[in-house]
Amino acid sequence: AQSVTQPDIHITVSEGASLELRCNYSYGATPYLFWYVQSPGQGLQLLLKYFSGDTLVQGIKGFEAEFKRSQSSFNLRKPSVHWSDAAEYFCAVGRYSGGGADGLTFGKGTHLIIQP
Amino acid sequence: EAQVTQNPRYLITVTGKKLTVTCSQNMNHEYMSWYRQDPGLGLRQIYYSMNVEVTDKGDVPEGYKVSRKEKRNFPLILESPSPNQTSLYFCASSDLNTGELFFGEGSRLTVL
Repeated sequence: AQSVTQPDIHITVSEGASLELRCNYSYGATPYLFWYVQSPGQGLQLLLKYFSGDTLVQGIKGFEAEFKRSQSSFNLRKPSVHWSDAAEYFCAVGRYSGGGADGLTFGKGTHLIIQP
Repeated sequence: EAQVTQNPRYLITVTGKKLTVTCSQNMNHEYMSWYRQDPGLGLRQIYYSMNVEVTDKGDVPEGYKVSRKEKRNFPLILESPSPNQTSLYFCASSDLNTGELFFGEGSRLTVL
């Protein structure tokens, strides 16, 4: 069965500093990978996704992620964080059966704190 | 506007009192799903549906029921709620090709 590991429960970064959130996955085939963000009291918003092709994926709000098959990783990066980036971040891998997509398996999330 | 709508957003109830959380999407998606979110556990899938009249169990289905009589609606039913079902619930939908989930804003349920 597939699984997603986000090793860091909390990360604190100074405003303006660079950010990298780690994600490792386990999946038997070529994965479809996602990063979602959840601001306090809000639902989940898609930041970016990887289906195939270029392994460096650009997303919204200045985020990017790189798929590394050899490391089973899909780390999220941003060169310079803003106070509004404080949120919970979830990595997810798609689940697919013969009928199509049947959901996502999520990591447990990384809580990002921005220091002024 | 494309959206997934859940109701109620907040609910406090007592043990054993049946309740239903509604979910509706306007994107004509085949796939719909319910997740619960708990601190330290992330999001876990409760049930999902790949089309009308087709539903299946996710990772944590115990204590829940669902139905899919229409493509746009996917209600979550708690026949006899218990305190361990106190949680934040999310409904989501997607098309079967991409798997990208679109989420509702969440329903916070407290069972006393």
